[in-house]
Amino acid sequence: DTAVSQTPKYLVTQMGNDKSIKCEQNLGHDTMYWYKQDSKKFLKIMFSYNNKELIINETVPNRFSPKSPDKAHLNLHINSLELGDSAVYFCASSSRNQPQHFGDGTRLSIL
Amino acid sequence: QKEVEQNSGPLSVPEGAIASLNCTYSDRGSQSFFWYRQYSGKSPELIMFIYSNGDKEDGRFTAQLNKASQYVSLLIRDSQPSDSATYLCAVNTYNTDKLIFGTGTRLQVFP
Repeated sequence: DTAVSQTPKYLVTQMGNDKSIKCEQNLGHDTMYWYKQDSKKFLKIMFSYNNKELIINETVPNRFSPKSPDKAHLNLHINSLELGDSAVYFCASSSRNQPQHFGDGTRLSIL
Repeated sequence: QKEVEQNSGPLSVPEGAIASLNCTYSDRGSQSFFWYRQYSGKSPELIMFIYSNGDKEDGRFTAQLNKASQYVSLLIRDSQPSDSATYLCAVNTYNTDKLIFGTGTRLQVFP
């Protein structure tokens, strides 16, 4: 199936831990994104990569580090997790100036 | 002032009626406008996108754009209970892939 796929779907972990979320797209898009959707359902962009190059870096704590090994993959590593990091994280992809397509989300819960 | 504003709702309409969802934006440089539907616990799904002033129709959905008034709307004709979801308005500026989302309008279609 052509899609944007994220793993894991659910992530429950302790405060202070380090965790990673992976994203892959097989749509042939050259741009990938990470969004955070908080408990009030507000969806906000965090990062964007175009052909492995960082092009959008919003005001996000430097505990969050994206990595793009190739244009089909964009991973998100989070160090020293805090309670406020609990949210749903969505990966998305698009071709330039085209609509973005979203993955199913990773629900991160910090205990 | 928020960059993209939507009434949070809920907007309740009877089955078969027209649902009208509205969105205003603050950046006059915004060029592309998107409507996403998000069911509870699911990812945003693209419904419509519009770039030019006027109306764009796709099945039961019509997007309307008025750049002078900085206003974009989504009409859903013959509303069905399966249309019950949160509708997210998103805009981006010319030559960027940064999508700014509104907080969404929750639509409830009752039988």
